[in-house]
Amino acid sequence: DGGITQSPKYLFRKEGQNVTLSCEQNLNHDAMYWYRQDPGQGLRLIYYSQIVNDFQKGDIAEGYSVSREKKESFPLTVTSAQKNPTAFYLCASSSLAGDEQYFGPGTRLTVT
Amino acid sequence: GQQVMQIPQYQHVQEGEDFTTYCNSSTTLSNIQWYKQRPGGHPVFLIQLVKSGEVKKQKRLTFQFGEAKKNSSLHITATQTTDVGTYFCLSGAGSYQLTFGKGTKLSVIP
Repeated sequence: DGGITQSPKYLFRKEGQNVTLSCEQNLNHDAMYWYRQDPGQGLRLIYYSQIVNDFQKGDIAEGYSVSREKKESFPLTVTSAQKNPTAFYLCASSSLAGDEQYFGPGTRLTVT
Repeated sequence: GQQVMQIPQYQHVQEGEDFTTYCNSSTTLSNIQWYKQRPGGHPVFLIQLVKSGEVKKQKRLTFQFGEAKKNSSLHITATQTTDVGTYFCLSGAGSYQLTFGKGTKLSVIP
């Protein structure tokens, strides 16, 4: 079964803790993206990666970090520096940057 | 990223009525993509428009890209309850599709 997986679906953390969200794809896509979605809002780009070992900041990168050590994997770390981390996080991939994006099911993060 | 305005933010229609959402940019776009997100779900790709003045149809859905490549629309004819969800445009500049519109949330009253 080809696609993108994100785990876990729901995640709860205490304020001040770093948390890493998983994103894995077996579509052999070069480009991967992380978005944040708040209730009633559109998707805002956090980071994107066009190729292994390379990534660029999106519009709201502050308080987040990523790595792209393998083509299949693009984990996102929400650090304690992120002021409002509670949100729905979506990972996506595309064959090349600019092509249609395939989204994972998302992780709903709640920080209290 | 560049800014793209999407309107309206919400639309409530009676089943069978038509629905249109618009995306407008102040700058010329290289292309535009449209996505649909069902309640509680994730965005799903619908279509990509690349050429000036392009019109594409998918059953009851009609997508248009403006002549100046600064605006786009998605029109649904005779809405059904299965059309419920939020429709997003994703504008492209150069090689990257990085700016989503805020979306139009469609409610269909049976």
